[in-house]
Amino acid sequence: DAGITQSPRHKVTETGTPVTLRCHQTENHRYMYWYRQDPGHGLRLIHYSYGVKDTDKGEVSDGYSVSRSKTEDFLLTLESATSSQTSVYFCAIRIFDREYSGNTIYFGEGSWLTVV
Amino acid sequence: GENVEQHPSTLSVQEGDSAVIKCTYSDSASNYFPWYKQELGKRPQLIIDIRSNVGEKKDQRIAVTLNKTAKHFSLHITETQPEDSAVYFCAAGPRTTGNQFYFGTGTSLTVIP
Repeated sequence: DAGITQSPRHKVTETGTPVTLRCHQTENHRYMYWYRQDPGHGLRLIHYSYGVKDTDKGEVSDGYSVSRSKTEDFLLTLESATSSQTSVYFCAIRIFDREYSGNTIYFGEGSWLTVV
Repeated sequence: GENVEQHPSTLSVQEGDSAVIKCTYSDSASNYFPWYKQELGKRPQLIIDIRSNVGEKKDQRIAVTLNKTAKHFSLHITETQPEDSAVYFCAAGPRTTGNQFYFGTGTSLTVIP
């Protein structure tokens, strides 16, 4: 599982409330990512981080913010959740994998978020 | 940025037949092309990859081919089995530098016993 854990795994929240998803890794990897997965859209990058306090936007960053105050944790926050943010959220880390001869992405188990 | 297109979106095959999934990419700087398999309710998991200086790679019943000139790559599954039923994603990105991987929209493969 590449040492990635996500929490919470399932959450139902009301429109307009703030929500924070946590991604925790145990192996000190520099790069961490947040993706959302929706039918017909595949996996779309929300934000990513390339080090402590170093983050950047992905292709669907509107309505989301992130923070990385320490290497092992990458937090995704929905400041005011909307129904369009109902999705499955995957955290991922980038590892240089000798078996696969290059950087590759390993995913956490996912967080199912429903905004009602 | 990179744009990865994947086809077909759904694919049904009889057990024992072959399945082929195709992807195209736009950024000639991409040089690493992994494939992921996602079972229902699970995380995407890496099953095979290919890098740009290689034209084909095989691992038992799965193989990937890459045509860098045409900017397309394919996943081939032979002798399909019911446990191959899943959603498959292709991706494109940098092998050793750069920050982002771009994913296709997925192919839902059903293997009919």
